[in-house]
Amino acid sequence: GAGVSQSPSNKVTEKGKDVELRCDPISGHTALYWYRQSLGQGLEFLIYFQGNSAPDKSGLPSDRFSAERTGGSVSTLTIQRTQQEDSAVYLCASSLVAGGNTIYFGEGSWLTVV
Amino acid sequence: EDKVVQSPLSLVVHEGDTVTLNCSYEVTNFRSLLWYKQEKKAPTFLFMLTSSGIEKKSGRLSSILDKKELFSILNITATQTGDSAVYLCAARGNTGTASKLTFGTGTRLQVTL
Repeated sequence: GAGVSQSPSNKVTEKGKDVELRCDPISGHTALYWYRQSLGQGLEFLIYFQGNSAPDKSGLPSDRFSAERTGGSVSTLTIQRTQQEDSAVYLCASSLVAGGNTIYFGEGSWLTVV
Repeated sequence: EDKVVQSPLSLVVHEGDTVTLNCSYEVTNFRSLLWYKQEKKAPTFLFMLTSSGIEKKSGRLSSILDKKELFSILNITATQTGDSAVYLCAARGNTGTASKLTFGTGTRLQVTL
């Protein structure tokens, strides 16, 4: 696609429910990143994919968070048993290759846990 | 642990003023430094810097990197209300096969009439 596409753009969920956030990177981009931004805060790195593998998942805050990428394209970030502190904007970004290249962000998925 | 620190945290200026935003970084195996502008949700790319002392310029915005002192600045001249945004600095490090951007918390710029 022309840009990084994320869905849903907004999600309100009840505490304890599972959510899935989807990211469709720019066509041909092999590197894909997930970041989280809480209100008024900077971007917090979650996980990075090169192709379908995740060389760096050091930012995932707990075992309730997982992500996968299939076909070297679409990625899904799953949050199980959501908590109120999970409320944030989840931003996906992609770059042509890993390292040294510009990364482009999607519009984000705004998650609110009530 | 990789770290990026931006200053000031926020800034209010009058239209027409010139502003300088600061970014210092400590990352493992530094590769590049990037500046983004965030108005709503998605940060939009401004500059990528890899070499010291070479200014990158785009209209009223310019940026330069000092790899010896580990910092970068973003200058905006003749500011306009449309420049109001959060400006994010990010440093790319490279550890093994991994490559990630570490972001600062941003500088919130407000340009008033």
